[in-house]
Amino acid sequence: AQSVSQHNHHVILSEAASLELGCNYSYGGTVNLFWYVQYPGQHLQLLLKYFSGDPLVKGIKGFEAEFIKSKFSFNLRKPSVQWSDTAEYFCAVRGTGRRALTFGSGTRLQVQP
Amino acid sequence: GAGVSQSPSNKVTEKGKDVELRCDPISGHTALYWYRQSLGQGLEFLIYFQGNSAPDKSGLPSDRFSAERTGGSVSTLTIQRTQQEDSAVYLCASSLDGGPNSPLHFGNGTRLTVT
Repeated sequence: AQSVSQHNHHVILSEAASLELGCNYSYGGTVNLFWYVQYPGQHLQLLLKYFSGDPLVKGIKGFEAEFIKSKFSFNLRKPSVQWSDTAEYFCAVRGTGRRALTFGSGTRLQVQP
Repeated sequence: GAGVSQSPSNKVTEKGKDVELRCDPISGHTALYWYRQSLGQGLEFLIYFQGNSAPDKSGLPSDRFSAERTGGSVSTLTIQRTQQEDSAVYLCASSLDGGPNSPLHFGNGTRLTVT
């Protein structure tokens, strides 16, 4: 079975602060990893994804994530957050042979101006 | 362009009643997913349809839950004899072919409240 843990449930930052949201997964084989974002009042949308190759993945709006296989982690980072980054962020994993994504419980990010 | 459309956007029902939730995926998308989002619980996988293959029903929480996808397009999630614990936001998503390079496109969800 595959599972995802997001340890930060609610994060409050000031604008220009750096961001790192933790994501750890459990799966014994090859995985695809994703971060989705849900802005207030909007539907979930893909932020970035990792399939293979360079473990440092860059996504939209200046976000990046690093896949560390030995730690089963895929943490999301942004050097300087903006008020518009206020949203809920979900990490997701899909193992080979498993066609549906398994999502974490989400991290609510609040950026104060 | 048109995205994933779900209806109704909100549904309030009494305990014990049956409800039907509808999802219209993006045209041409062969893969369709249902998830449930409860407060603090993240997104819980319910069921997955891919083309003409047998659906993956492994996430359905009980036999009160069922889903159909007619003609490879519109899908209906049915909850029979609703319980208060069924209250959640039910999300539908579609992807082009269900493969690793096909991101999921989500609808806005149906917020179900069971009183």
